[in-house]
Formats: sequence, C-alpha cells, structure tokens
Amino acid sequence: GDSVTQMEGPVTLSEEAFLTINCTYTATGYPSLFWYVQYPGEGLQLLLKATKADDKGSNKGFEATYRKETTSFHLEKGSVQVSDSAVYFCALSRNSGGGADGLTFGKGTHLIIQP
Amino acid sequence: NAGVTQTPKFQVLKTGQSMTLQCAQDMNHEYMSWYRQDPGMGLRLIHYSVGAGITDQGEVPNGYNVSRSTTEDFPLRLLSAAPSQTSVYFCASSHRTGRLLPRYGYTFGSGTRLTVV
Repeated sequence: GDSVTQMEGPVTLSEEAFLTINCTYTATGYPSLFWYVQYPGEGLQLLLKATKADDKGSNKGFEATYRKETTSFHLEKGSVQVSDSAVYFCALSRNSGGGADGLTFGKGTHLIIQP
Repeated sequence: NAGVTQTPKFQVLKTGQSMTLQCAQDMNHEYMSWYRQDPGMGLRLIHYSVGAGITDQGEVPNGYNVSRSTTEDFPLRLLSAAPSQTSVYFCASSHRTGRLLPRYGYTFGSGTRLTVV
C-alpha cells in the first residue's frame, strides 16, 4: 500500500539556520503531495502542495519540489524563525478512484527553533 | 469564522462508556473525514463521507461508527470505549471537484483529545 517516510526528529536548529526535512513516498500512480504543519494545541494547516511531477509548492518561505524520479518531496526553508517551531507532516493523496480514501501521512517531524 | 468545528476539545471516558464526537463545517464541503493521531504514528483515517447519506471505512474503522444525515455534520460514535481508543481525533473536510477531490488539500478542525481509563 501507499506509505510516507519522513525524518522524525526532534530536529533542533538555531534561528536563521537552513532547514531541510526529508520526505519520501511509495505509491502507485501519480499521487498529490502535501506538507501540513501543526502548531502546539492546534489542528493541521496546509502549508504547501504539489499535484504533479516537478511542481514546486511554496508558502511562507517554505518550498518543496515533487521529484518523481526519487519519489521525494523534501521541505526546505532558507532561514527559520522561532515561530516555525511546530510538527510538520508530509502526506500524499492518491488520485485514482477520486482519492476519497483520504490522505496517507508520515509520522511527523518535530521542529524546534532556538533563539 | 468559517471552518471545521469539533466538540468537545477534551474528554475522559471510562472503559465501556459510549460517546459521540461532534464535527461541523460551514463551508458547504461535500467530503468529510475522521482521523486519529497517535504518538509516532502520524494520522490514520477512520471513516469518511463523500456526501450526505454516504459513508465508508478508512484504515482503522473498528470500534467507531459514523453517519452523515446533513452536509454540515459528521459525528463519530464510540459505542463501547476502550483504552486503545485514547487518542487525538481530527475531523477534516474538503470540496469535491469531480475526480480531484483531495488534490487541493483539506481543512482540519482543532481536534478532540480523548482519554479512556
């Protein structure tokens, strides 16, 4: 079945450091890929998405590129802030059959940014 | 504010008790779903609905029932709570656009933290 693998952390960085959170996936066909962010005590918010190979999703300084050849969707940010501290989830959605069977999530990466 | 509203935010149950987790959305989304979040497990799909009167099972449906009598509401029922159901539960919704249902992301509620003792 489909699966998503991401580094679990916690990942601890200093403010203004460069961030990479790796995400790889296994899926049949051509899934859509997502990054969600969960701040403490809150629900999940969509951070960015990509729906086909070589698409780049971007939002709030975060970027991720859909790499079909390496089945990856790594999240990057050039300069992190303390306010970026959160749990980040990589997820995929199959596009066959309408995709109504929901999202497949990775286990989440806890990111801690120190001042 | 428009969005997905979940109630209650916190709940403690005794083993064997029943309860209903409420989920309501005011965005006229056709698709609604329930996930549970467990430490180190990410989120796993429990049940989903593509419209009023239509529901189906997800990855981990055992011990849970759902119904969808209106577009707005999608309650999740625990008939006989077990400690294994201690978790954080999230409801999510999305517009259905033909075959492109979840490609454009879901809106999540803020969650219900359930403890079964």
